Amino acid sequence: EAGVTQFPSHSVIEKGQTVTLRCDPISGHDNLYWYRRVMGKEIKFLLHFVKESKQDESGMPNNRFLAERTGGTYSTLKVQPAELEDSGVYFCASSPPRTGPYEQYFGPGTRLTVT
Amino acid sequence: AQSVTQPDIHITVSEGASLELRCNYSYGATPYLFWYVQSPGQGLQLLLKYFSGDTLVQGIKGFEAEFKRSQSSFNLRKPSVHWSDAAEYFCAVVTTSGTYKYIFGTGTRLKVLA
Repeated sequence: EAGVTQFPSHSVIEKGQTVTLRCDPISGHDNLYWYRRVMGKEIKFLLHFVKESKQDESGMPNNRFLAERTGGTYSTLKVQPAELEDSGVYFCASSPPRTGPYEQYFGPGTRLTVT
Repeated sequence: AQSVTQPDIHITVSEGASLELRCNYSYGATPYLFWYVQSPGQGLQLLLKYFSGDTLVQGIKGFEAEFKRSQSSFNLRKPSVHWSDAAEYFCAVVTTSGTYKYIFGTGTRLKVLA
């Protein structure tokens, strides 16, 4: 069974540019989460999808971040325009279609560097 | 506020030595606790979890953790460290109101000396 995959693994962009990160969850996982780790800090929750619906986007930093999950499969996270403080590692996680505090399966992350 | 504290940012141990990574949590309700490990280039891998029952939890790769409610701790232990255990370790609690999202500690980076 394929795990959670993320693309690209690393992205370097200039301030003001746009970047789109992609996450492919484990097949059949309705729950999809985005997290971010800024250097030296803890991994923080950004948002949660159930299928194509946003259940909780309380962790999104501001309106420069837009997450989508069309068709309830893969998800994208767009940052537009990128700022220096957006640098960090963006993790995606997924979990099966059931409610509860169950294990989330994480991808390897996308390291975003904004210069 | 809900939080997880990992007091040690870096730990260095010799191969074969025992290991204990500390984790303290602040959470009002019954905590659901996890330890994850991230090796270079890899995603976060679940080592073990505690939901209820026996407070000593066994995980993969020879790791175990003990839940101590009186100390709000969930420390990770391994009796004999291998060089392949060098990685970053994260303790987390999952919220149970609304979205089941993780609250992570800042991580502990483990270095293993040959």
